[in-house]
Amino acid sequence: SQQGEEDPQALSIQEGENATMNCSYKTSINNLQWYRQNSGRGLVHLILIRSNEREKHSGRLRVTLDTSKKSSSLLITASRAADTASYFCATDASGTYKYIFGTGTRLKVLA
Amino acid sequence: EAGVAQSPRYKIIEKRQSVAFWCNPISGHATLYWYQQILGQGPKLLIQFQNNGVVDDSQLPKDRFSAERLKGVDSTLKIQPAKLEDSAVYLCASSPRTGSSPLHFGNGTRLTVT
Repeated sequence: SQQGEEDPQALSIQEGENATMNCSYKTSINNLQWYRQNSGRGLVHLILIRSNEREKHSGRLRVTLDTSKKSSSLLITASRAADTASYFCATDASGTYKYIFGTGTRLKVLA
Repeated sequence: EAGVAQSPRYKIIEKRQSVAFWCNPISGHATLYWYQQILGQGPKLLIQFQNNGVVDDSQLPKDRFSAERLKGVDSTLKIQPAKLEDSAVYLCASSPRTGSSPLHFGNGTRLTVT
């Protein structure tokens, strides 16, 4: 079963614009991670945010976590064509360290 | 550091045949995961190993799927017999330890069952 659900399912933007995608999950978590997947490839880890953190930054990425709403958002600023990929959130229900992935957001950045 | 290696890259079999996938995790990584990713969906956890012991296999269809991790290093995932709905990408991932660690993924094996 899917723990998380991302929305939107698909997003198309122009190069230079910001992209925001959201993840909602169902149970208490230890941490939440965001991954990118290019077509035909494995997943690449982007950022990890712990349950006691509210915001993290990494380069052009900004992740927020609201444990009261069981939701997270990933913001990619000044998007590039190379950011075109699917983005997934993954959560581990408290105490399990079993990572369950969401349904993903397909991002297309138009040059 | 070398990444997670998986083979084969692609496999096409007929239903009711058997197939095996191989994964070599990053050296020193204690935790190994197998995920199934059906086209257009997120990865679904099949089994999680800690060293050579199984931590979780609650989503593994044990009537047809089996997995082992010999000596806590390489792992194989087998399907016998395969069904049409097993067509998917099988992803292997490893992490240094169970806990708040990023997962490192291989490029997967794309299985087509005809």
